[in-house]
Amino acid sequence: DGGITQSPKYLFRKEGQNVTLSCEQNLNHDAMYWYRQDPGQGLRLIYYSQIVNDFQKGDIAEGYSVSREKKESFPLTVTSAQKNPTAFYLCASTWGPGANVLTFGAGSRLTVL
Amino acid sequence: AQRVTQPEKLLSVFKGAPVELKCNYSYSGSPELFWYVQYSRQRLQLLLRHISRESIKGFTADLNKGETSFHLKKPFAQEEDSAMYYCALKDFNKFYFGSGTKLNVKP
Repeated sequence: DGGITQSPKYLFRKEGQNVTLSCEQNLNHDAMYWYRQDPGQGLRLIYYSQIVNDFQKGDIAEGYSVSREKKESFPLTVTSAQKNPTAFYLCASTWGPGANVLTFGAGSRLTVL
Repeated sequence: AQRVTQPEKLLSVFKGAPVELKCNYSYSGSPELFWYVQYSRQRLQLLLRHISRESIKGFTADLNKGETSFHLKKPFAQEEDSAMYYCALKDFNKFYFGSGTKLNVKP
C-alpha cells in the first residue's frame, strides 16, 4: 500500500527538549516537504528536499532541522530554539521537478508542555 | 510575501445552493494553481489543478490572470462537500498554500 507514513501521530514534549518527527514514503518520490499547519494560517513550508543529501529552507525554517540520507526518509527535528513548536506537522512528497501533485501524510501533532 | 490569499475563513451554505470559494494570488509569470481539500479525519488531497481544466466532484476553477484569481465554484453544494479547502500555488519547486476556507454545507 503506497503512501507516506508519519510517526508518531501525537507527541508531547517538555520545553527545552528536541524532538524528531518521522516521515517515510514508499512512492519512489524524489521530492519531500515539511509543512506546519496552524489554525487560520494554513500550511507554511518549513523545509523541502529535491534529492538525497540536499535540502532547502522554506519560509519558517528557524528552530527546525532536517536530513535526507535516504530517498524514502525525511525526518524533521524540532529543536528547543523553536519558540512556538506546538502545531500540526505535515509531510508531503512528489516525484520531482516538474511534478505538481503533492501526496500528504496523515500528520503529527506536537504539543509542548 | 503573501502569495496566496483566501479571504474567507468560513463559508456556510445550504444544500443545493451555489458555492464559490475565493482565492487570489500574487505571482509574476504564469502561475500553476491548485485546490486541495481536507475532509474530516482524512488526509489533505488534491481536488483539481488549473492546467487540467477539469471538473472534479462538480467543482471547477478558472484562472483569471487579469484579476489574479482562481476561485473554486460548484453550482449545487452537497453535504459531503463540507471540508477544509486550500488554494495553492507552485513556485519552481515549492508549493505555497493559502490559509484555507472551511466550507460548511447545511442540510
